[in-house]
Amino acid sequence: EAEVAQSPRYKITEKSQAVAFWCDPISGHATLYWYRQILGQGPELLVQFQDESVVDDSQLPKDRFSAERLKGVDSTLKIQPAELGDSAMYLCASSFGHAQTQYFGPGTRLLVL
Amino acid sequence: GENVEQHPSTLSVQEGDSAVIKCTYSDSASNYFPWYKQELGKRPQLIIDIRSNVGEKKDQRIAVTLNKTAKHFSLHITETQPEDSAVYFCAASYGGSYIPTFGRGTSLIVHP
Repeated sequence: EAEVAQSPRYKITEKSQAVAFWCDPISGHATLYWYRQILGQGPELLVQFQDESVVDDSQLPKDRFSAERLKGVDSTLKIQPAELGDSAMYLCASSFGHAQTQYFGPGTRLLVL
Repeated sequence: GENVEQHPSTLSVQEGDSAVIKCTYSDSASNYFPWYKQELGKRPQLIIDIRSNVGEKKDQRIAVTLNKTAKHFSLHITETQPEDSAVYFCAASYGGSYIPTFGRGTSLIVHP
C-alpha cells in the first residue's frame, strides 16, 4: 500500500540554525499539506499545495518558515532560524484532491535546543 | 475561522464497554467531519468520516453521528478492545475548502 514518506524522522538542532524537512506524497496525489502538531494537541495546518501552487499559507509564520513544491510532487518545509517554540511534530499529508481523504506521513519530530 | 472543541480529553474504559467522544464546531458552513486515530509515535489515520448530508454512518464497531442544528458530532466505539487504545482526533472542514480544523484529541485507554 502506498504511503506518504517523510525525512528525517527526527531532528535535533540548536536555536538560530536552519532546518529542512522533506515529504514525498502518494503518487498521483495533487494536494499536499504540511501540519505542525504540538504534544497533546491536534495538528494545525501550516500550508496547503495544489500541484505546485500554494492554496493556503495563512497560518505559516512567513518570517521564518518557507515551503515549496517546485514540480508539484515532493515538497520541502524550511525553518530559518529555528526557535525553541518550534519544537513539535511536523506532519505531511496528501490527498487525491482538495476534497478527498488525507493520508498522513510518519512525521518529523523536531527538537530545538 | 472554525473552532473545534473535543471532550473528554481522557477516557478510560474496560474492554468490551462502549466509548463515546464528542466534538462541537462553530462554523455552520462546515460540511465534512473526519475522525483520526493516532497511536503513540505513529501517524494519524482516518477511521471514519461523515458529510453534512448524512446524520449517521457506521463501520463495524465504529459509528459517527452528526447533529447539524446543534453543531456537534460524536464517535461511538462499541465492544472496545485494548488495540483501540490511542488518541482520537475529530476535525471539521471550514467552508468549502475541506481543510480540517482539528480538536485537541481524546486519549482512549481500554483496560483488558
